[in-house]
Amino acid sequence: AQSVTQLGSHVSVSEGALVLLRCNYSSSVPPYLFWYVQYPNQGLQLLLKYTSAATLVKGINGFEAEFKKSETSFHLTKPSAHMSDAAEYFCAVSDPLNNDMRFGAGTRLTVKP
Amino acid sequence: EAGVAQSPRYKIIEKRQSVAFWCNPISGHATLYWYQQILGQGPKLLIQFQNNGVVDDSQLPKDRFSAERLKGVDSTLKIQPAKLEDSAVYLCASSLVAGGANTGELFFGEGSRLTVL
Repeated sequence: AQSVTQLGSHVSVSEGALVLLRCNYSSSVPPYLFWYVQYPNQGLQLLLKYTSAATLVKGINGFEAEFKKSETSFHLTKPSAHMSDAAEYFCAVSDPLNNDMRFGAGTRLTVKP
Repeated sequence: EAGVAQSPRYKIIEKRQSVAFWCNPISGHATLYWYQQILGQGPKLLIQFQNNGVVDDSQLPKDRFSAERLKGVDSTLKIQPAKLEDSAVYLCASSLVAGGANTGELFFGEGSRLTVL
C-alpha cells in the first residue's frame, strides 16, 4: 500500500516569502500525487495533481510542485506567500489502478504580516 | 455542477448512542469514499465503493462502523455504538472513473462533524 510523509506539521513564513511544504511518498506502483488545501470548517480542495505527464505541475493560487522519482518527493512551493494562503495543506498519493488515495498528516501554514 | 452533499453538518451524541451520516456524490461519479479526520490529523480512509461494491474497507472498524451504497449512488455511514474516540469529521468524497482509466482527483464534501460526549 502507498503512504505519504509530510515533513513539518507547522510552517510559518512572512508575507511575500517563499513557501516550501515537503512531501515524500512510498508506492509500489507508479503513483498519482496530489496536494489539497483545507480551510477551517471546510472540505478539501484540490491545489494540483501529478498523473504521469509533466513532472513540474502548476496549480491554483500560484502553487506548483515537482515530482522527483529519484527522491520519492513531491514538494509544494509558492514564490511569494499571501495572507490568504494560511491553511492546512495535505499531500496525498493514489494507486492509479483503483484510485485508492492516502493522505499525509498535514502541514499547517501560517503567514505573518 | 452540484458538489458532494453531506448531512448533517454537525452532530453531538452521548457515547454508546448511534449516529448516521449521509452522502450524495457528484452525479455520474462511480467511486465513493468515506474518510475519518480526527482533529490535527490527515484524513484516514474508512471505506471505498466502486458503484455499489466495496473496493477497500480494511480500515473500517467493523464492530461498530457500517456503510452501504445500495443503488450505487448515495451512501450512508453508521456508527453504533459510538465511542469518545469517534469524535472527528467524517468526509465523503467521490471520483470519476472513465473507461478503465481515471482522472485521479477526489471531490470532497464539507464533512460531518461528530462530537461524542
